[in-house]
Amino acid sequence: GEDVEQSLFLSVREGDSSVINCTYTDSSSTYLYWYKQEPGAGLQLLTYIFSNMDMKQDQRLTVLLNKKDKHLSLRIADTQTGDSAIYFCAEMAPRSNTGKLIFGQGTTLQVKP
Amino acid sequence: DTEVTQTPKHLVMGMTNKKSLKCEQHMGHRAMYWYKQKAKKPPELMFVYSYEKLSINESVPSRFSPECPNSSLLNLHLHALQPEDSALYLCASSQDPPIGVSNQPQHFGDGTRLSIL
Repeated sequence: GEDVEQSLFLSVREGDSSVINCTYTDSSSTYLYWYKQEPGAGLQLLTYIFSNMDMKQDQRLTVLLNKKDKHLSLRIADTQTGDSAIYFCAEMAPRSNTGKLIFGQGTTLQVKP
Repeated sequence: DTEVTQTPKHLVMGMTNKKSLKCEQHMGHRAMYWYKQKAKKPPELMFVYSYEKLSINESVPSRFSPECPNSSLLNLHLHALQPEDSALYLCASSQDPPIGVSNQPQHFGDGTRLSIL
């Protein structure tokens, strides 16, 4: 089946690194995405990774994928107060072929000054 | 700034009203989506349009009626809604409909916050 899980809450100090974790169950997943949602806003696509990659880096963001353990993480370096938001991981499973993204429950990141 | 524009940003309506939500994108995307999001929850897919044709309806009640007048516009017509339909309605688009292993990241608008009295 298709299921994506995330921890619900993470609190860090400004300047520290944040690591948000995600696990998924569909081993046929091809693309995995990270979205950010600020209060009152829609979802902003942060980054994505193809399942044949182990790592992707984009400025302060590093995505790590362990396909064997079906584990995905998003690391935010030098976390700022503007990074406070809900972060959703999502998978696009080819079996669905419908455009249906399977989202995790979202991790609320709180950044303390 | 989002490249998917949704109007209105907020909408309050009674259960007997008829209203419409609008979504517009000018990125040349050929797939468009409607999602419903309740507070503190992830978005739930409602409809998918591919090349202006409805391709997916996720068993959405008929009081929600989507329409795609052209490749840039997507509407969601609302009639006789229930209080439990109060939510954030998000529109998204992707370059192409996802097929097989193609990567088609979805780009979201800021949503319409709908309240049913």
